[in-house]
Amino acid sequence: AQSVTQLDSHVSVSEGTPVLLRCNYSSSYSPSLFWYVQHPNKGLQLLLKYTSAATLVKGINGFEAEFKKSETSFHLTKPSAHMSDAAEYFCVVSDGDYGGATNKLIFGTGTLLAVQP
Amino acid sequence: DGGITQSPKYLFRKEGQNVTLSCEQNLNHDAMYWYRQDPGQGLRLIYYSQIVNDFQKGDIAEGYSVSREKKESFPLTVTSAQKNPTAFYLCASSPLGSGSPLHFGNGTRLTVT
Repeated sequence: AQSVTQLDSHVSVSEGTPVLLRCNYSSSYSPSLFWYVQHPNKGLQLLLKYTSAATLVKGINGFEAEFKKSETSFHLTKPSAHMSDAAEYFCVVSDGDYGGATNKLIFGTGTLLAVQP
Repeated sequence: DGGITQSPKYLFRKEGQNVTLSCEQNLNHDAMYWYRQDPGQGLRLIYYSQIVNDFQKGDIAEGYSVSREKKESFPLTVTSAQKNPTAFYLCASSPLGSGSPLHFGNGTRLTVT
């Protein structure tokens, strides 16, 4: 079965410094992986998606993630944090063990990003 | 603009009462989902539906019920059998097919006292 682990529950950075949010996954086949962002009391918004094309995926708002099969990782990065990036981030793997038609996603427990001025 | 609408945003109920949360989408997506979010636990799947008049239990379906009479609508009823109903509930939709990203509504925060 697929699973996903977000290695940090909280990350704090200063505005203008790099962001690194770590995610490891386990999957018995080539997975689809996603990062979502959630601002307080809002729904989740898709940041980026990996589906076995390029291993470096660029998303919205300057975020990107690199799929590393040998390390089973899909870490999210951004070169320079902005105050508006403060939110909760979820790493997600698609669970395809249901005949391919069902799209059940397995969510990590989230990383809360704080950005200090 | 296409999207998913959840209503109401905040809902308060007394223990022992059933309550129905609304979810409507105009994205023409076949699949719809209900998730429950609790602090520190990520999102857990309650029910999902791939086609009108059909739905399947997710990982935590006990104490919940759904219907899918129209493609656009997927209401969730939290019954009195749900032991810990206070939570943030998120509805989502997607095209069919593994690997399709989900589109989320803005959630309903349910408080039961």
